[in-house]
Amino acid sequence: DAGITQSPRYKITETGRQVTLMCHQTWSHSYMFWYRQDLGHGLRLIYYSAAADITDKGEVPDGYVVSRSKTENFPLTLESATRSQTSVYFCASIGFGQNNEQFFGPGTRLTVL
Amino acid sequence: RKEVEQDPGPFNVPEGATVAFNCTYSNSASQSFFWYRQDCRKEPKLLMSVYSSGNEDGRFTAQLNRASQYISLLIRDSKLSDSATYLCAVNKGNAGNMLTFGGGTRLMVKP
Repeated sequence: DAGITQSPRYKITETGRQVTLMCHQTWSHSYMFWYRQDLGHGLRLIYYSAAADITDKGEVPDGYVVSRSKTENFPLTLESATRSQTSVYFCASIGFGQNNEQFFGPGTRLTVL
Repeated sequence: RKEVEQDPGPFNVPEGATVAFNCTYSNSASQSFFWYRQDCRKEPKLLMSVYSSGNEDGRFTAQLNRASQYISLLIRDSKLSDSATYLCAVNKGNAGNMLTFGGGTRLMVKP
């Protein structure tokens, strides 16, 4: 049971470059989420998706783009990376429990130079 | 006021101690509440959901106080392995599947 995976796990890039972070889940969960976690700000929601081809903005969407052509994949793209996007990025999906608990992938540590 | 607030700590306790954390939330329409555990540089892992009637899992007890809008986590007989950051999460009321996370409370259990 692979669950939810993210790739790459670590990425160093330069300002202005496009970067795509991948998220894959094997559970066929409908809802998926992208968060960033920074010291002093905690976990903040970037984008979420209720199903394939349905996405919506979260708290901090500027500078990010998402797509969801297949239920199992939810890539996050930084169109032109900035230093302020240096962070740890977590993907999550909602399980099938009655309380809609979210389960997280292992994270991608992104550094923008 | 932040939507979800936690004391960042750290809480330094000896092994075997009982420790409690609170988490306050501002949205009175929130219906789902959770505690997550996060180890350094790792992903948050669901510790337990918090039900209206309270919830106990071994040494861990979670409670909800709707009147005062807070949830609590009690850890009895602390172990060294309990050292971690504990995040609370609260759903956004009418946006049921969206969660807001607190900043986390750091616990350090000492021998």
